[in-house]
Amino acid sequence: QVQLVQSGAEVKKPGASVKVSCKASGYTFSSYVMHWVRQAPGQRLEWVGWIDAGNGNPRYSQKFQGRITITRDTSASTVYMELSSLRSEDTAVYYCARNPADVWGQGTTVTVSS
Amino acid sequence: DVVMTQSPLSLPVTLGQPASISCRSSQSLVYSDGNTFLNWFQQRPGQSPRRLIYKVSNRDSGVPDRFSGSGSGTDFTLRISRVEAEDVGVYYCMQGTHWPLTFGGGTKVEIK
Repeated sequence: QVQLVQSGAEVKKPGASVKVSCKASGYTFSSYVMHWVRQAPGQRLEWVGWIDAGNGNPRYSQKFQGRITITRDTSASTVYMELSSLRSEDTAVYYCARNPADVWGQGTTVTVSS
Repeated sequence: DVVMTQSPLSLPVTLGQPASISCRSSQSLVYSDGNTFLNWFQQRPGQSPRRLIYKVSNRDSGVPDRFSGSGSGTDFTLRISRVEAEDVGVYYCMQGTHWPLTFGGGTKVEIK
């Protein structure tokens, strides 16, 4: 069955970077775009960016431009999201979701704290 | 960015009774190809979001037929014909017509 499995929880200090992975299975990886969406405590879902798993082209929300990098490894059917210069406001659960958001990963909690 | 406004914020419902959630967008969600990319998601406590409805009114596979979506332009509604205990959670609308994708603030459905 189609499945997205994300890497485990992370705790980072302000100013550090975090890299979250999302491994896909059960479908042709390169045929789909993969989204990243985050949910801060008590906040609405927020779209972070996406990557075309076929050609590797990413697109980012303006809010994260300059701090975010989304990449993919087709041989491993895995997408990565790296967020740098972390601040406390980046504390959230980060989800990957296959376009058109029909399948979601289990979420990765990223905590930014000194 | 397109602002998605949901109401109500909280919706206490008696088991077996209907429920209705409204979602309004700050711009029309009709895309140039004629499609309207408005989705509804359910998020049960401690779980990832699950898509229920896509393109306004199309139910995803495995979604009970008590869930239905309707609307057009800037005004959309998710209806649950008879609420069951498993429907407790937060419901979000999301638009995929305009960049960037944006979500509503969520409606918490709980049992009275």
